[in-house]
Amino acid sequence: DAGVTQSPTHLIKTRGQQVTLRCSPKSGHDTVSWYQQALGQGPQFIFQYYEEEERQRGNFPDRFSGHQFPNYSSELNVNALLLGDSALYLCASSPPPGLASNTGELFFGEGSRLTVL
Amino acid sequence: AQTVTQSQPEMSVQEAETVTLSCTYDTSESDYYLFWYKQPPSRQMILVIRQEAYKQQNATENRFSVNFQKAAKSFSLKISDSQLGDAAMYFCACSSLRDDKIIFGKGTRLHILP
Repeated sequence: DAGVTQSPTHLIKTRGQQVTLRCSPKSGHDTVSWYQQALGQGPQFIFQYYEEEERQRGNFPDRFSGHQFPNYSSELNVNALLLGDSALYLCASSPPPGLASNTGELFFGEGSRLTVL
Repeated sequence: AQTVTQSQPEMSVQEAETVTLSCTYDTSESDYYLFWYKQPPSRQMILVIRQEAYKQQNATENRFSVNFQKAAKSFSLKISDSQLGDAAMYFCACSSLRDDKIIFGKGTRLHILP
């Protein structure tokens, strides 16, 4: 049973460029959340997707956008990259709400390390 | 809105000893979960232990246990018989039962001394 997978694992961009990060949730999960983790800090919630719609959003600018596909996989897009966007981007998935298997736990991928020069 | 505070950026403990990591939180929710997640140097976050706020009994998972003080909004993690593999960043986190949005603290880096 594959867990949460993310790609790419590392990437380097320059200021002003755009980046797309990808995530496949754990089998049986339909909700995907994205987090930004700066070096030495805790993960910060960016947004969450459920049924192909953005269900919740954290305090991030509109440069951060996302998408969820019918197979529950998800993309995170960041436009007009800034130096401060350098971070580890974590994807996490969870099972459908209301199921007994939903204990509130999020299952995380290994992340995509973005460096902006 | 929820906030989670971890006041210990780093801690060290001798192998086989016991260590306690502190966490306080604030939430307006009446029903919520509390978590401790571990992030080893390989980066993948994994759940260590979980507590449902409506349960008074403290959660335990083998060598890991919590001290949940609901009135004080305190949720500390005790690691007994510390092992070298316990070295990692530990994050305290909180989420409401309404959704799966988890709010994390800034973390405590735990060093295990051989």
